[in-house]
Amino acid sequence: QVQLQQSGPGLVKPSQTLSLTCAISGDSVSSNSAAWNWIRQSPSRGLEWLGKTYYRSKWYSDFALSVKSRITINVDTSKNQFSLQLDSVTPEDTAVYYCARGADWFDPWGQGTLVTVSS
Amino acid sequence: DIVMTQSPDSLAVSLGERATINCKSSQSVLYSSNNKNYLAWYQQKPGQPPKLLIYWASTRESGVPDRFSGSGSGTDFSLTISSLQADDVAVYYCHQYYSGYTFGQGTKLEIK
Repeated sequence: QVQLQQSGPGLVKPSQTLSLTCAISGDSVSSNSAAWNWIRQSPSRGLEWLGKTYYRSKWYSDFALSVKSRITINVDTSKNQFSLQLDSVTPEDTAVYYCARGADWFDPWGQGTLVTVSS
Repeated sequence: DIVMTQSPDSLAVSLGERATINCKSSQSVLYSSNNKNYLAWYQQKPGQPPKLLIYWASTRESGVPDRFSGSGSGTDFSLTISSLQADDVAVYYCHQYYSGYTFGQGTKLEIK
């Protein structure tokens, strides 16, 4: 079955870049039917979708308006993984970050990474 | 953005009893061309990611016990657990994928 394994630092300083990676097993990041998402969860904002990337003969990305100016999602097809970069973070970006597969509903999800933005 | 509002925020139900969680969307999530409601339900236990239970408002994900059912259309939806088990203690979320992706605030389900 499809599994997603997240990695990345749990502490980021304000104004720096948050970087997380999601390694895929059991599916291909280049699948023509899947999409690969980043979602975060915090007590103040609840579950918040951040963005997705997907391949339909070429690569596409969509981002939430709330983070559109700061977010990048990259793909590494050789490692079958995708990554999140969120620039210029503030303490409000403190959250548990998840990767997830899905163009409609999300399933499965990665295990989650608590990222704290603090100096 | 479509706003998803769940009720109640928390719910305590006796073992073996029925539990019902409601979800209301700020606009319809029914796509008329295919007559599908673009709504899913998830269960989240502490320290775990959300787990998909229901999609298309009423289609149970493979492996999900049949005591879980989803209903509703347009803007009003429900998740029902027909006979509450101890393992069902969790927070439940609705999620619309009709326009972008937004989630309800969650409903915490406990044992009475």
